[in-house]
Amino acid sequence: GENVEQHPSTLSVQEGDSAVIKCTYSDSASNYFPWYKQELGKRPQLIIDIRSNVGEKKDQRIAVTLNKTAKHFSLHITETQPEDSAVYFCISGGSYIPTFGRGTSLIVHP
Amino acid sequence: DTAVSQTPKYLVTQMGNDKSIKCEQNLGHDTMYWYKQDSKKFLKIMFSYNNKELIINETVPNRFSPKSPDKAHLNLHINSLELGDSAVYFCASSQDLGAGVPDTQYFGPGTRLTVL
Repeated sequence: GENVEQHPSTLSVQEGDSAVIKCTYSDSASNYFPWYKQELGKRPQLIIDIRSNVGEKKDQRIAVTLNKTAKHFSLHITETQPEDSAVYFCISGGSYIPTFGRGTSLIVHP
Repeated sequence: DTAVSQTPKYLVTQMGNDKSIKCEQNLGHDTMYWYKQDSKKFLKIMFSYNNKELIINETVPNRFSPKSPDKAHLNLHINSLELGDSAVYFCASSQDLGAGVPDTQYFGPGTRLTVL
């Protein structure tokens, strides 16, 4: 099955800094790469996704980049704010067998 | 107008009991899932259903049994509960774009199960 490695497991930044979280995957057939944000005590929610036919996608302060050759994709958050503090998960794998990364706990210090 | 709902939100029970968690989605999606999130926050898929048919069962003990009475519902039954079953269980749904092409998953609010 698919194997997804997510790094780092914890990321601590100062407000206004940038944060980057990286995931690598093993299944070359994977073609959809979403990122989810989970705030404490709440459900995971999609923040951005990318399909394999593009290399980068941006939505305001959040961007995702994909390198299909190297089989990795990254989440970039610029100008971080305290409300960005949460656990972030990447997903790879097909529609019926999604595999989550182990999560990155992002802490943004005011 | 909640998209994916689960009941109950909290479930506290004794070891050995049998319990059920219900999930409903009103998004018209074809695929539904159950996930287990342990104390370290790792989200692991347990079951995936597409059009009421079981697609995957990821090394889950057979004490866990999913039941899908229709496309909008996927319930989780757990028999002979054990201490290690304590976790948060999330239901999710997504649209099937055809040929296994994945789409966004929408999660329910979660059910915190505590086994004493």
